[in-house]
Amino acid sequence: QQQVKQSPQSLIVQKGGISIINCAYENTAFDYFPWYQQFPGKGPALLIAIRPDVSEKKEGRFTISFNKSAKQFSLHIMDSQPGDSATYFCAASKSGGYQKVTFGTGTKLQVIP
Amino acid sequence: ETGVTQTPRHLVMGMTNKKSLKCEQHLGHNAMYWYKQSAKKPLELMFVYNFKEQTENNSVPSRFSPECPNSSHLFLHLHTLQPEDSALYLCASSQAGGIDTQYFGPGTRLTVL
Repeated sequence: QQQVKQSPQSLIVQKGGISIINCAYENTAFDYFPWYQQFPGKGPALLIAIRPDVSEKKEGRFTISFNKSAKQFSLHIMDSQPGDSATYFCAASKSGGYQKVTFGTGTKLQVIP
Repeated sequence: ETGVTQTPRHLVMGMTNKKSLKCEQHLGHNAMYWYKQSAKKPLELMFVYNFKEQTENNSVPSRFSPECPNSSHLFLHLHTLQPEDSALYLCASSQAGGIDTQYFGPGTRLTVL
């Protein structure tokens, strides 16, 4: 019940295209859904996050779409750039106290020129 | 130094060695975490310290021993490790209470021979 399932495992997108990564969760108590971006040799860094009271959140070229009834959320990267090439992790957690975050398995994105 | 720092960045050790990983956060946070990152697996939470008290031990083998002397420092003492313990070990910190972002260090790449 604590799992967060992420797909695809890897993704190749042409420059200027849209990258889409999907995640599904099971625990309905989760109320915070962040996406992390990790470059080689670095730790994950928060990219964008959403609460379940909204269905979409946009920050620049990055958009989270959230479907509470389906228990699914996705990351869309518009106008993908080679600099976006990284591994992306979705995650979910419950508010209150320290954060015990459940992470997806990651998606390795490669944006080719 | 800003953010979360980890030393060493790379470590190679034999199965009979004893070594320690160090993490320091300069963010004024009061929760600190150890994660294990292996290829094609979700980030595995190992330990959580909240205001210097251990609040989570995620069934981690006793050959991993954490220490949190204060809210800014976290150690992971290693002894008699196995080759399958080879992974990237990530430290993170957050402001305990409510929803907040976890900030990750760059990790220590551990190889057990």
